[in-house]
Parts: sequence; structure tokens; C-alpha cells
Amino acid sequence: KAGVTQTPRYLIKTRGQQVTLSCSPISGHRSVSWYQQTPGQGLQFLFEYFSETQRNKGNFPGRFSGRQFSNSRSEMNVSTLELGDSALYLCASSLGYWDKPYEQYFGPGTRLTVT
Amino acid sequence: SQQGEEDPQALSIQEGENATMNCSYKTSINNLQWYRQNSGRGLVHLILIRSNEREKHSGRLRVTLDTSKKSSSLLITASRAADTASYFCATVGTDKLIFGTGTRLQVFP
Repeated sequence: KAGVTQTPRYLIKTRGQQVTLSCSPISGHRSVSWYQQTPGQGLQFLFEYFSETQRNKGNFPGRFSGRQFSNSRSEMNVSTLELGDSALYLCASSLGYWDKPYEQYFGPGTRLTVT
Repeated sequence: SQQGEEDPQALSIQEGENATMNCSYKTSINNLQWYRQNSGRGLVHLILIRSNEREKHSGRLRVTLDTSKKSSSLLITASRAADTASYFCATVGTDKLIFGTGTRLQVFP
């Protein structure tokens, strides 16, 4: 089975711009979660999509948004970029059933640098 | 916000030694998982322990869980240079996975 893929792998943007990151989950997985990782804050949960619906959301401002398509692929968008948005953005896919123990499969991440 | 705090933050050992990392969490959990992250890359799932289990083994990994103390430990036996990475515990409550702060392990050949 192909793993989780994320595109692009590296991105440099300027403050005020917007960016869209893409994630393709493992075939058959219906849940996609997004995380932000920074040296200062560690791994922070952004949101989770399951069957095209946002099922959970972390404590991030409205500039961070996402969506999921019918093929389970997901995108996240950050508008009006700030320097503090520089981070590694990780996407993870899973079967998505929280009442059963399960594991998440992570992509390699997108390294976003905001200048 | 993070659910778990890991201890130590960093650990340096020689190849062949054992490495122990601890994780404490705050709320009740469904299960607890450990992940490894090589520098700046994605996370890899290592092992999952359910809330009704006390100990689990997988190869050179041994995980314990004490729900009364809200803590877990990960033991890597006979460590190798390739084990150099950051290790994170992650708890599953009812609806999402929350990661701890991580332990950075350095194994010297």
C-alpha cells in the first residue's frame, strides 16, 4: 500500500500571503488529521476530517482551514501568513474509528517557511 | 495544548545500553501510543497499549501503562545508533490524538 503523501515538501512564502497544502491518505482511510510542529509548541493538533466533514478542531485561529474531498484527499489552507506560521505541517491518515484502538500513519510533512 | 509531558527531554546513551522514557498525561484515555520521529520528518507508529493493559512488548520495545498514576514508560533495550530520534507519547481520549512534548534520544556508536 502506498503511504501518506504530502505536497509540496518545502515551501517559502511571504507574510500576508496564503498557502494551500495537500495530503493524500492511505487508500481506504477515511480520516485525515493535520498537525503543526514547531520547536516552541511541539506537535499541535489542527483539525481532523472524516468523510468530508470536519470532526474535530484544535485551538488555532480561523486563518487555518481545511477540507476533505470525496476521495479522502485533504487540503489545508492558511491565509494571511504570519512569521509564526513557519513550521512543519504533518498530515496523518487512519481508519478513523475512535472507539477502536487505532494508529495514525503520518506523511513526511511540508516544511513551510514564512519570511 | 499538550496532554502529555515526557521525561527526560533529552537522553544520550551508548549503543547497547537501554533507554527509558516516561510520559505523564492528564485525562482518562482509551489507549496510549508511542511514535518515533527522525529529524524533521514524519512520525512512525511504534506501539499501542490499551487502557486495560499494563504491559506490552514489540521486539526491543517494552511499554508499560499505569492508569492510576496516569503515566507510561517506553523502554528500548540494546539500543542502536539507528534508534537516534525523538520519541512521542500520544493519548487517545474520546475523539482525538494528543501528543506529548517528546524525548530526544541520541545513541552514540
